[in-house]
Amino acid sequence: DAKTTQPPSMDCAEGRAANLPCNHSTISGNEYVYWYRQIHSQGPQYIIHGLKNNETNEMASLIITEDRKSSTLILPHATLRDTAVYYCIVRAYSGGGADGLTFGKGTHLIIQP
Amino acid sequence: NAGVTQTPKFQVLKTGQSMTLQCAQDMNHNSMYWYRQDPGMGLRLIYYSASEGTTDKGEVPNGYNVSRLNKREFSLRLESAAPSQTSVYFCASSERGLEGGKAFFGQGTRLTVV
Repeated sequence: DAKTTQPPSMDCAEGRAANLPCNHSTISGNEYVYWYRQIHSQGPQYIIHGLKNNETNEMASLIITEDRKSSTLILPHATLRDTAVYYCIVRAYSGGGADGLTFGKGTHLIIQP
Repeated sequence: NAGVTQTPKFQVLKTGQSMTLQCAQDMNHNSMYWYRQDPGMGLRLIYYSASEGTTDKGEVPNGYNVSRLNKREFSLRLESAAPSQTSVYFCASSERGLEGGKAFFGQGTRLTVV
């Protein structure tokens, strides 16, 4: 799986949009971009994933550049409960198998009141 | 809907003791995983089971064994605990194939080996 690079930490004001960047310049054509977050002391939580098109769900939006070498996770109206470590993960579709996820250190997003 | 349930939530072991961490999921997922997370680090895959009856090593399997008891349950055993195995252990489950990257995690087992 391709390696990802994320800033170690970011701040965002409550109520504003939080934009979390991720670089994955070595991504392959069959690799998806996944985002998870981990609120302190809890298990990671799936947020969203995409291949090449932008995606939106009830939690967030995912913007993937046309060359697919980077992506941005957008939390449109950040709340204090969004303070967490956010992980960007690139994973190939593994056919019938399943071989887990490779977590880096992620971005610690702190929402300021 | 419970999702992924891990037991126990906390455990303290003495060096050399053995124990089994239990994990059960109620989402009818085919694949299950065990990860460990050390302070300030991301999660690292210990073992996974792509489907009932199969298990495979992940990134850090040494010192651990697993059993996929049935489709719901996947246990992790430490035969002779060492202080280096002090960590938070997370179990996860997912579907296979295209949905394999969308995993659901338990709340973790905090293990201290003294």
